[in-house]
Amino acid sequence: EPEVTQTPSHQVTQMGQEVILRCVPISNHLYFYWYRQILGQKVEFLVSFYNNEISEKSEIFDDQFSVERPDGSNFTLKIRSTKLEDSAMYFCASSVIRDRFSYEQYFGPGTRLTVT
Amino acid sequence: GDSVTQMEGPVTLSEEAFLTINCTYTATGYPSLFWYVQYPGEGLQLLLKATKADDKGSNKGFEATYRKETTSFHLEKGSVQVSDSAVYFCALGFSGGYNKLIFGAGTRLAVHP
Repeated sequence: EPEVTQTPSHQVTQMGQEVILRCVPISNHLYFYWYRQILGQKVEFLVSFYNNEISEKSEIFDDQFSVERPDGSNFTLKIRSTKLEDSAMYFCASSVIRDRFSYEQYFGPGTRLTVT
Repeated sequence: GDSVTQMEGPVTLSEEAFLTINCTYTATGYPSLFWYVQYPGEGLQLLLKATKADDKGSNKGFEATYRKETTSFHLEKGSVQVSDSAVYFCALGFSGGYNKLIFGAGTRLAVHP
C-alpha cells in the first residue's frame, strides 16, 4: 500500500541553524501539507501546497518557514533559523480528490525536531 | 474560529469494554468530520469519516455519527482490544481538497488485558 515517507525520523539542531525536513508524498497525490505537534499539544496546520504554490498558510508559518517541491517526488519544509519553540513533531501529508465531498489526507510518520 | 474539542485522556479500559471518546466541534459552514488514530511510533492514520449530517462512519469496529444538532462526532466501539491502544484525534475539514484539517488535542486510549 502506498504511503507517505519522511526523513529523518529525528533531527537535532542548534538554535539559529537551518533545517530541511523531507517528505515523499504518495505518487499520484496533488495536494501536500505540513502540520506540527508540539509535545502534549494539538496537531496544528502549517501550510498547504498545490500546483507548485502555497494554497494556504497559518500564522505559525512565518518568513522563517518555506516549502518546496524540488522534483517530482520530494516535498520539503525548511526552517531558516530555528528557535527553541520550533521543537515539535512535524507531519507531512498528501491527498487526492475523489469528489467534492470526499478527500482524505494521508500522513507520514513524522520527523521529531529538537532544537537545543 | 473553527475548532475541535475532545475529551481529555488518558482513557484506560479493560479488554472487551465499551469505548466512547467525545468530540464536539465549532465550525462556520458544513465541515467533514474525521477520526484519525496514531499508534506508537507511527503517523496519523484515517480511521473513519463522515461528510454530512447524520452520516455514520465506521471502520474496524469503530463508529461515529455526524450530529449537526449537537455539533458532535463521538467515537464508539463495542468491545476494545489491547491492539486498539493508541492516540485518537478528532478533526474537521472543508471540501475543496487543499483545505486544512483542524485537529482536537487527541485522546490517549490504553487497553489492558
